[in-house]
Amino acid sequence: DGGITQSPKYLFRKEGQNVTLSCEQNLNHDAMYWYRQDPGQGLRLIYYSQIVNDFQKGDIAEGYSVSREKKESFPLTVTSAQKNPTAFYLCASSSRGYSLNVRGIFSYNEQFFGPGTRLTVL
Amino acid sequence: DQQVKQNSPSLSVQEGRISILNCDYTNSMFDYFLWYKKYPAEGPTFLISISSIKDKNEDGRFTVFLNKSAKHLSLHIVPSQPGDSAVYFCAASAIQGAQKLVFGQGTRLTINP
Repeated sequence: DGGITQSPKYLFRKEGQNVTLSCEQNLNHDAMYWYRQDPGQGLRLIYYSQIVNDFQKGDIAEGYSVSREKKESFPLTVTSAQKNPTAFYLCASSSRGYSLNVRGIFSYNEQFFGPGTRLTVL
Repeated sequence: DQQVKQNSPSLSVQEGRISILNCDYTNSMFDYFLWYKKYPAEGPTFLISISSIKDKNEDGRFTVFLNKSAKHLSLHIVPSQPGDSAVYFCAASAIQGAQKLVFGQGTRLTINP
């Protein structure tokens, strides 16, 4: 049963503590992504990785760190430097970006999302 | 700088009627557009997409229209069903731009019986 798992579903931490959110996929996807969602806002990209041992900052990377040591795993650490860490965090994966079909037409490989982790910092 | 905008935070439609969700974008480099559907406390699920070389893509009750000159796309759902009640996000990607998705703020669709 292929998919993306995120654990835990709910997480509570005290202010000033680092916390690591887990994301695992068995879809054999090369690319993985972390987003955060705040009320009334869309999904904002934190970090992404297109291949093992490589990752890039997204639009709101400050206060976060990631690693990509295995293809299946892309953990996100929310550090104490993140000023407003309470949010809903979503992990996604996809085949790498665009693919070219036999007719020479590009299509985007859509991202598949996990169920999310709601982090509350007290 | 919001490159993808969904200006209607919410939309209420009667069951059986057509739901039309709108999305505007500013970056002319975007060449692929997607719609995602999201239920509360769950991850978004892919719904339908369209390439910039097309102006329409249809999948069952869902049709996406793209107007490149106006930098506007819309999602039509007909007939609307109670299970369609969810938040809908449009997203855009540029092949030149590291192939990341840029999301709009979302529109909450409520289907009334």
